[in-house]
Amino acid sequence: NAGVTQTPKFQVLKTGQSMTLQCAQDMNHEYMSWYRQDPGMGLRLIHYSVGAGITDQGEVPNGYNVSRSTTEDFPLRLLSAAPSQTSVYFCASSGQGSGANVLTFGAGSRLTVL
Amino acid sequence: AQKITQTQPGMFVQEKEAVTLDCTYDTSDQSYGLFWYKQPSSGEMIFLIYQGSYDEQNATEGRYSLNFQKARKSANLVISASQLGDSAMYFCAMRSYNQGGKLIFGQGTELSVKP
Repeated sequence: NAGVTQTPKFQVLKTGQSMTLQCAQDMNHEYMSWYRQDPGMGLRLIHYSVGAGITDQGEVPNGYNVSRSTTEDFPLRLLSAAPSQTSVYFCASSGQGSGANVLTFGAGSRLTVL
Repeated sequence: AQKITQTQPGMFVQEKEAVTLDCTYDTSDQSYGLFWYKQPSSGEMIFLIYQGSYDEQNATEGRYSLNFQKARKSANLVISASQLGDSAMYFCAMRSYNQGGKLIFGQGTELSVKP
C-alpha cells in the first residue's frame, strides 16, 4: 500500500546510545519531514527536506541528524540519546503543487530513553 | 514567526450535536494554508480538511467544515452531527505556500463525544 513507512514502531534506548529511525515513502513525494510529539503538546518540526540532497533544520533540531540521499528515504539519527528525547516521532511527506496541500504521516515511532 | 493557538484543551459534545473547535493563527505571510488533523487514541495522524488563504469559500469535507475568518486570523473546525468515533485529539496547523511540508501545529484539543 502506498504511504509512509516508519520503523521501528517502538524502541527503548539507554542514555548515550545511538540509533536511526527509518522513514520511507513510495509516493514520489519531494517534501519529507520529521516531527516529535510530547504529551500535552502539538507536533514540533525537527528537520525537513525539500528534495534529495537538501535538508534544513526545523524548530527543535538539536541532538538529531538527517540526510536525504534518495527521494524515497529520510532517516533520522540520534547520535547520543538523552532522556529529553523520549517522545513519539512522526515522519511525513507531501508532493509539490496541489499535492503539497496535504501532509501524509507515518504511523509513528515511540522512543523511550532511560 | 508563525504561531497556531488552540485555547480549548478539552471539549465535550453530545452525540449527534455540532461542535466547534477553535483555532487562531499568526503569520506575516500573504499566502498560506490551514489544516486540521485528527489523532485518535491509536495514534495515527489523519488529515481532515484544508483551507488556502486565498480561497473565498470555506472548505467543507463531509461532516467537517472550516470556518475561515481571515481578518480575525481564525480557522475554526466545525463538526456536524457528532459521532462516538469523533472522540480524538484535533490539531490545527498552518504552512506557508513556499515551505513545502513544513507545518506548524497548535497544542491540540481533545474532543469527547458523549452517547
